[in-house]
Formats: sequence, structure tokens, C-alpha cells
Amino acid sequence: GQSLEQPSEVTAVEGAIVQINCTYQTSGFYGLSWYQQHDGGAPTFLSYNGLDGLEETGRFSSFLSRSDSYGYLLLQELQMKDSASYFCAVRGRSGVCKYIFGTGTRLKVLA
Amino acid sequence: DSGVTQTPKHLITATGQRVTLRCSPRSGDLSVYWYQQSLDQGLQFLIQYYNGEERAKGNILERFSAQQFPDLHSELNLSSLELGDSALYFCASSVEGPATQYFGPGTRLLVL
Repeated sequence: GQSLEQPSEVTAVEGAIVQINCTYQTSGFYGLSWYQQHDGGAPTFLSYNGLDGLEETGRFSSFLSRSDSYGYLLLQELQMKDSASYFCAVRGRSGVCKYIFGTGTRLKVLA
Repeated sequence: DSGVTQTPKHLITATGQRVTLRCSPRSGDLSVYWYQQSLDQGLQFLIQYYNGEERAKGNILERFSAQQFPDLHSELNLSSLELGDSALYFCASSVEGPATQYFGPGTRLLVL
């Protein structure tokens, strides 16, 4: 089947750097996206990797390696407001479920 | 504010009932997606419409149906509701092609 696995929870302190991993099993996809969701809120788009390598957007960076079926989101200079759930997602090329979201990682930022 | 609107914000109903959730996409977006998010769960893709036509289907139950109207707004119909249908239902829109989807604030459905 098609699935994206993420750690369920990550904890870090303000100012630190944290990496949220996403490993996937899917037959083919266009690229890997990352979304942030605060409790009770809607997911908001953070980053997209259409090609292998690193994409940087301010404090957030995302990486994709198709050969390793692996990607990650890197958050630098953590702030309290970064406490949220983070989801990786793919748009598959085929199969029943064209849009697949990961299990989600809850990030807790401590003062 | 993503520019995607959803109504109602909250909905409480009883088992066996039918409800309709409404979504208006961002101006210019032709694609609308529907997702279900149960408590502490990830997002489950239900269905996508593009310019009025069904484009992709996920694990949507037969009791659920959707449509996209000529003005591009979309409705998700949930019938014969069960307790397990209680969830947050999100609508998202995008320009078909890019991976970026813009999510609405969601409709919280509670089935009693």
C-alpha cells in the first residue's frame, strides 16, 4: 500500500534546530509537501520538494531523497509559535488515494 | 486567511441524518479537495473536483457524495450518518498541477 510514516512527537527548546523525518512507501509521486497545523486550525502549506535536494524557505528547509524514500523538514531558530503538528504529503501518480498525508508529528517547543 | 471559506463552522446532528457541507475555493482556483480528519488522526483524502468534474477519488464512503457547481463552489453530502463520521472536514483548493493546497477553516461535525 501507500503510506507515509512520521515520528508521532518531537520536543525541543526555543532557539534549537529540529528535524522531522518522513519515510514513504508509494509507487510513484510528483513531489513531497509539508504542512503545519496548529490545534483546532487548518493545515497551512510550508514547503514543497519536486526534485531531490534541499529547499529553503526562511527558517524552514525541506529535503527529499527519492532513492532513499525519505524526506525531512528542518526547523531552525525554534519559536514557541512553532508548536504544532507537521504533516508530510505526496500527490501520487496512480492508485486509489492520489493525495496521501503522513501520520503527523506533534512538535512541542519548550521555553 | 487562506481565501477558502467553509460553512457551517460547527454542525451537530443525530445518527441516520443527512448533512451538507459547503466550500468556496480561492478566487481563480479550479480544483477543490475534501478531507476528513478524525480526532488525533491525519488527513484522509476523500475526493477532488476540477472545474466541475470529478478528478480523483480517495477512500470515500458510498454514503458520502460531492459535487462542484459552475461557480466552482463545492458541496459534500454526508448521509445515513454514524457516530464514527464525527470529524473535522476540510476543503482545500489549488490550481491543478502544483502541490500547494490551500485549506479552509474546516467544518466540525458531531454525530450524536
